[in-house]
Amino acid sequence: DTAVSQTPKYLVTQMGNDKSIKCEQNLGHDTMYWYKQDSKKFLKIMFSYNNKELIINETVPNRFSPKSPDKAHLNLHINSLELGDSAVYFCASNPSGLYNEQFFGPGTRLTVL
Amino acid sequence: AQSVAQPEDQVNVAEGNPLTVKCTYSVSGNPYLFWYVQYPNRGLQFLLKYITGDNLVKGSYGFEAEFNKSQTSFHLKKPSALVSDSALYFCAVRDSNTGFQKLVFGTGTRLLVSP
Repeated sequence: DTAVSQTPKYLVTQMGNDKSIKCEQNLGHDTMYWYKQDSKKFLKIMFSYNNKELIINETVPNRFSPKSPDKAHLNLHINSLELGDSAVYFCASNPSGLYNEQFFGPGTRLTVL
Repeated sequence: AQSVAQPEDQVNVAEGNPLTVKCTYSVSGNPYLFWYVQYPNRGLQFLLKYITGDNLVKGSYGFEAEFNKSQTSFHLKKPSALVSDSALYFCAVRDSNTGFQKLVFGTGTRLLVSP
């Protein structure tokens, strides 16, 4: 009955590889997000989708490409992984509206060697 | 653009004592303010929010926060701290003028409650 789920929980890979992280929410929300949390615990928004449409695209290298096949899913594909991509990536969702809180997934810890 | 400041990297308090975690914000429109907590190796959990109305907001686990418009602050408080409250706390703000649902987070404050 997990509200926002992410797979995988841990991802260890070599520099230059391509990897994907998947996110699913069963809350019926129409807005989803990807955040990056670095080693100092700073949390930075990367992307947001509303009803499968990209609405927020922060200054993120174009090696990162989000994809939302439907309202309940938001995946993150990363090409040519670099050491600096090592971080914890969180997916989140909320119903539309500025006053609605976000629900976060458990995070995916990505380690690039 | 909206911003949030959490001036303390860490707050130390003894169990049973009151705690305060500070947050100040900057927006061009009306602020929508949120507090989240993050336990080790977990995602963020929502604690409480201020949208409008009463300046004192009550939330989960006995936490409350006071909105102060003149001081542009939204400090998190709890009358009696528990060791289990030890975690990382984030303040966040949305600006009613942005037109998008972008939530900007502070840098986080680590709360350490000692027995």
